Amino acid sequence: QKEVEQDPGPLSVPEGAIVSLNCTYSNSAFQYFMWYRQYSRKGPELLMYTYSSGNKEDGRFTAQVDKSSKYISLFIRDSQPSDSATYLCAMSRGGNYQLIWGAGTKLIIKP
Amino acid sequence: DGGITQSPKYLFRKEGQNVTLSCEQNLNHDAMYWYRQDPGQGLRLIYYSQIVNDFQKGDIAEGYSVSREKKESFPLTVTSAQKNPTAFYLCASRTGTGFTGANVLTFGAGSRLTVL
Repeated sequence: QKEVEQDPGPLSVPEGAIVSLNCTYSNSAFQYFMWYRQYSRKGPELLMYTYSSGNKEDGRFTAQVDKSSKYISLFIRDSQPSDSATYLCAMSRGGNYQLIWGAGTKLIIKP
Repeated sequence: DGGITQSPKYLFRKEGQNVTLSCEQNLNHDAMYWYRQDPGQGLRLIYYSQIVNDFQKGDIAEGYSVSREKKESFPLTVTSAQKNPTAFYLCASRTGTGFTGANVLTFGAGSRLTVL
């Protein structure tokens, strides 16, 4: 069993919809939870990171962590075609511990 | 602008040849990383380096080699011993070694290697 599970999709939704992307994990020692966005043939770029449990909001994006369920989510409101990309979750204990990555979910926003 | 430059963007190799992928950063970051990305598998760590002249194997180091002679540079050599080298290779860096905060990585644009 992988330490981090993420549905690879693709997930296809119409423009303007609310998108929910999720990851589950098994290691309760993880403290930092990140979401990266990767456009085709490009390197990943950090969208948001969250420490421990709770919510964090940045514009149309909300990251949510539920440590009791070992489940993290990224919500995208008012989705745009430019949001079409692969979204990777990553998590770690922090410091010099390595990041553990999900497989990435391919998101397609249809105009 | 600060960032990470990877070259070449596309590379073709014949079986049995070694190839070297370049990674240069001007972010003054201490730690640098090489990842391999295959469809549906996320990122897998090949090698990482936290300081000059020191580097550690990641999860899939076999068939790869690195050097870290300068803080700014962390080249990756894909040797002929790597059985399935066709993949997208990503270089990343982060500031600080030994801190306790989030280990947020900055990535380059990647290099796609195809073995013919």
